[in-house]
Amino acid sequence: EIVMTQSPATLSVSPGERATLSCRASQNIRRSLAWYQQKPGQAPRLLIYGASTRATAIPARFSGSGSGTEFTLTISSLQSEDFAVYFCQQYHNWPPLTFGGGTKVEIK
Amino acid sequence: QVQLVESGGGLVRPGGSLRLSCAASGFTFSDYYMTWIRQAPGKGLEWVSFISSNGSTIYYADSVKGRFTVSRDNAKRSLYLQMNSLRAEDTAVYYCLRPYYFDYWGQGTLVTVSS
Repeated sequence: EIVMTQSPATLSVSPGERATLSCRASQNIRRSLAWYQQKPGQAPRLLIYGASTRATAIPARFSGSGSGTEFTLTISSLQSEDFAVYFCQQYHNWPPLTFGGGTKVEIK
Repeated sequence: QVQLVESGGGLVRPGGSLRLSCAASGFTFSDYYMTWIRQAPGKGLEWVSFISSNGSTIYYADSVKGRFTVSRDNAKRSLYLQMNSLRAEDTAVYYCLRPYYFDYWGQGTLVTVSS
């Protein structure tokens, strides 16, 4: 099973600042990585797939990078609606499909 | 547009059973593998089960193997999850999704296992 580890668990950022979230895979997953945003009481929303491809209607301030075992989600200038929990997920080697534990982005 | 509508959740006692359903629309259901994912309250996402387009290939997470059974009816464009011997740790919102990354989400259905 591929273990996905996200860091940090909580990230405190001021509006307008950049946020950088990390996701590490326990083995090489090439670029088979997705990022999701989840707000309280809502289902997750796909942000990024293929490590760096933005999903439909996702603003350009969200960008993904990385390959192999190290991945990053960057939010270039945090807006109020971006404060949420973010999950990464690998789909290179399954079953099982596995998720990271999440990073909560909170207002500083 | 793609829609996935889960139903069948509710409150059940430990050891009890529940059957979840997922109605799919907006895409050719019979062409797609499908999966169930769950999320316990305040926790992360956990993959539960996977079924191939014709139902011939099925996988389960170790945590539900032997207790849960996934099935599908392509004529009805529906996915099912039969959950038996339920435990408190099965309490979660259950989502049906098209793998392998998840671009369309329903509202999920809440399963609460409690005495």
